[in-house]
Amino acid sequence: AQKVTQAQTEISVVEKEDVTLDCVYETRDTTYYLFWYKQPPSGELVFLIRRNSFDEQNEISGRYSWNFQKSTSSFNFTITASQVVDSAVYFCALSEAEDMRFGAGTRLTVKP
Amino acid sequence: DAGVIQSPRHEVTEMGQEVTLRCKPISGHNSLFWYRQTMMRGLELLIYFNNNVPIDDSGMPEDRFSAKMPNASFSTLKIQPSEPRDSAVYFCASSHRGGGTNEQFFGPGTRLTVL
Repeated sequence: AQKVTQAQTEISVVEKEDVTLDCVYETRDTTYYLFWYKQPPSGELVFLIRRNSFDEQNEISGRYSWNFQKSTSSFNFTITASQVVDSAVYFCALSEAEDMRFGAGTRLTVKP
Repeated sequence: DAGVIQSPRHEVTEMGQEVTLRCKPISGHNSLFWYRQTMMRGLELLIYFNNNVPIDDSGMPEDRFSAKMPNASFSTLKIQPSEPRDSAVYFCASSHRGGGTNEQFFGPGTRLTVL
């Protein structure tokens, strides 16, 4: 069965600090997809990124970057120069087929 | 373009009552997913449809829960009878060609409180 572990339940940083959110996954499939979603205090779930299992290139989007390492089954998310607006719960998710399984989420609080 | 639409946004009901949650997926998306979010259990997939056909309902907690998708633009999640432990935020999401290859877009959720 597929499984996603986000060991960090809560993280608190001060604005402008860099922060990395960890995600470790388990799957028996060779083809799978990894996702990150953001859930701000307003409650909606916002898609951030999708990565397939054959693409291990790291990705950068503005202050956001993702590090995918199949050797360690990890798909970590780094926010550079964090801002108060980054405060949210961040979910990592894994999909082998049609469905998607989410990790428990990491609550990030960025203090001014 | 309109995103996924859910109604109602908030629902307060009494134990034993029937509750119906509604979802309109993004036009052109052919997969629809129902999730439940609670503090204790996090985000749980309840059921998903592909081309209006239920594919996997193994996440539906019990027979009190049922979901339908009569057409490509509408789905319902019904709880009958409702119980206090059903209190949660219920999300609907849609995707094109399935969530495994394409990201799921989520609706704003329905916050259900069963007294």
